[in-house]
Amino acid sequence: AQTVTQSQPEMSVQEAETVTLSCTYDTSESDYYLFWYKQPPSRQMILVIRQEAYKQQNATENRFSVNFQKAAKSFSLKISDSQLGDAAMYFCAYTRTNAGKSTFGDGTTLTVKP
Amino acid sequence: DTGVSQDPRHKITKRGQNVTFRCDPISEHNRLYWYRQTLGQGPEFLTYFQNEAQLEKSRLLSDRFSAERPKGSFSTLEIQRTEQGDSAMYLCASSFSAGRTAPGELFFGEGSRLTVL
Repeated sequence: AQTVTQSQPEMSVQEAETVTLSCTYDTSESDYYLFWYKQPPSRQMILVIRQEAYKQQNATENRFSVNFQKAAKSFSLKISDSQLGDAAMYFCAYTRTNAGKSTFGDGTTLTVKP
Repeated sequence: DTGVSQDPRHKITKRGQNVTFRCDPISEHNRLYWYRQTLGQGPEFLTYFQNEAQLEKSRLLSDRFSAERPKGSFSTLEIQRTEQGDSAMYLCASSFSAGRTAPGELFFGEGSRLTVL
């Protein structure tokens, strides 16, 4: 079974600084997708960034970028120039290609200090 | 489009009662998912539909849980004979089918919070 592990229950960052959230996963599949979702307090979860496993190039979306290490099964999220609005719980997720089910980690709560 | 909507947002019930949650997905999406989230944990997969067909159901889901999507539009999740352990946030999400988007690219609703006393 696939598992997703987020080893940092809580992280904090100073506004305008950079922070990296860690995620590791376990799978025997070679075709899959990885995602980072953001869940602000009392609001719905939204997609931040996605990575296709067959792509070696790391995905980037504005201030958000990932470091995807397929052999190490590691998928970290870097947030640059952190803003107060980035404060939320962040979930790493895995989905096998041609599957419906996604497996989520237990999340990292990010605090942004002004 | 207003996104994925869920109703009710909060439900408090007594142990042993039945509860039903409704989810209206984004209209162009033909996949609909139910997840359960407890405090301090990530969402846990329950089931998903493509159109009206229920394609996968978690083995962790007891027989007290049933989900339907009768016309391939909205979906309901019913929990019969609720137990205190059912207290959680029930999340609905929708997506396009595979081929139109990456599998796992989900649009979530705000969730329905269930408290069982």
